[in-house]
Formats: sequence, structure tokens, C-alpha cells
Amino acid sequence: KQEVTQIPAALSVPEGENLVLNCSFTDSAIYNLQWFRQDPGKGLTSLLLIQSSQREQTSGRLNASLDKSSGRSTLYIAASQPGDSATYLCAVFTSGTYKYIFGTGTRLKVLA
Amino acid sequence: DGGITQSPKYLFRKEGQNVTLSCEQNLNHDAMYWYRQDPGQGLRLIYYSQIVNDFQKGDIAEGYSVSREKKESFPLTVTSAQKNPTAFYLCASSYRDSNVLTFGAGSRLTVL
Repeated sequence: KQEVTQIPAALSVPEGENLVLNCSFTDSAIYNLQWFRQDPGKGLTSLLLIQSSQREQTSGRLNASLDKSSGRSTLYIAASQPGDSATYLCAVFTSGTYKYIFGTGTRLKVLA
Repeated sequence: DGGITQSPKYLFRKEGQNVTLSCEQNLNHDAMYWYRQDPGQGLRLIYYSQIVNDFQKGDIAEGYSVSREKKESFPLTVTSAQKNPTAFYLCASSYRDSNVLTFGAGSRLTVL
């Protein structure tokens, strides 16, 4: 059974720092991995999708990498801003299951 | 603009009552999903549907029911059999081939 873990659960950093959020999964037979952002009381917004055949994806200040063999993905945020404060979740689509399994998220606070 | 509309945004229910949460999408997506979010537990899959008139149980389907009579609509009924229904409910959809999830804004259900 696929399990997805995100560490740390919470993180506070000063504005301007580069930071890395981690996501690990137990079953490497994945179809893709998606990173989301969630603001308090809101729905999820898709940030990046990495197909199983890809190693990384970039969008603006965000870069996500995928290492299927080790069951890990990282989300790199460059030059963090207070507006980046939110909860970041990763979700794994395991081959043959037709569903995503979500991690519990990392709650990020960027201090001005 | 295309998107997913969930209603109501907030709902209060007395114990023993059934309630139905609405989810409508105009993205022409094939697949639709219902997730439940509780603090510290991430998102858990309740039900999902790949095509009209077909749906499958997710990981926590007990006490819930769904229908998929139209491609655009996937309502979720929280029945009185659900022991702890107070939660944030999120609806999502995707194309079957891309699997990129798009989420609605969520519905918060509180049992009084």
C-alpha cells in the first residue's frame, strides 16, 4: 500500500531564503507526482506535475525533482517571500490504482 | 472561466440528518473525486468516478454515497451512518490521460 510522508510538518524561514520541502513515498511504481499549495480554508492549487519519466519540472521560483528509485521528491523554492506562506502537499498517482495518495503537508511560514 | 464549483461553502447539520454536497465542473474532465481533509491527516479519498454512471469506493467510503448521472456533476451525500462527519470536503477532477488534478474551493461541514 502506497504511503506518502512529508517532512518537516512545519517550517518557518526569514524572507529571501531558499528552501527545500521533502516528499517520500514507499511504492516506486508511480505514474506521476504532483505538488500543491493550500491556503487556510481554501482548496488546493496545483503547482507542478512530474511524470514518472521526468527528473524535474520548473515554474518560476519553484523547482520540483523526482527520484523514483529512492522514492523521493523535493520542492525547491527560491528567494522565498511572505506570500509563499501556505501548506504544501505532494500527491502520488500510483500505477494501476487510478487515484492519488496525499502526504500530510508541510506548513510553511515566511517571515517578513 | 472553467473550474469546479462546490456548494455550499459552509454547512451545519444536526446528528441523524443526511446532507448532500454539490460538485459541478465545466472543464469537460472525465474523472471526479471526493476527498475529506482533517487537521494533521492530509487528504483521504472517499469516492472517485472515471466515467458517467460508474464510481468506485475510496479509502473511507463508509457512511457516504455518490452518484454520477452527468459528466459535469458528482454530488456527495453524507449519511447519518458516518460517525464523525465534521470535516473539510474537497472535490477534484481531471482528464483521464493527464491526471492533473483541479480542486474546488471546498465545503466545510459541521455537525452540531
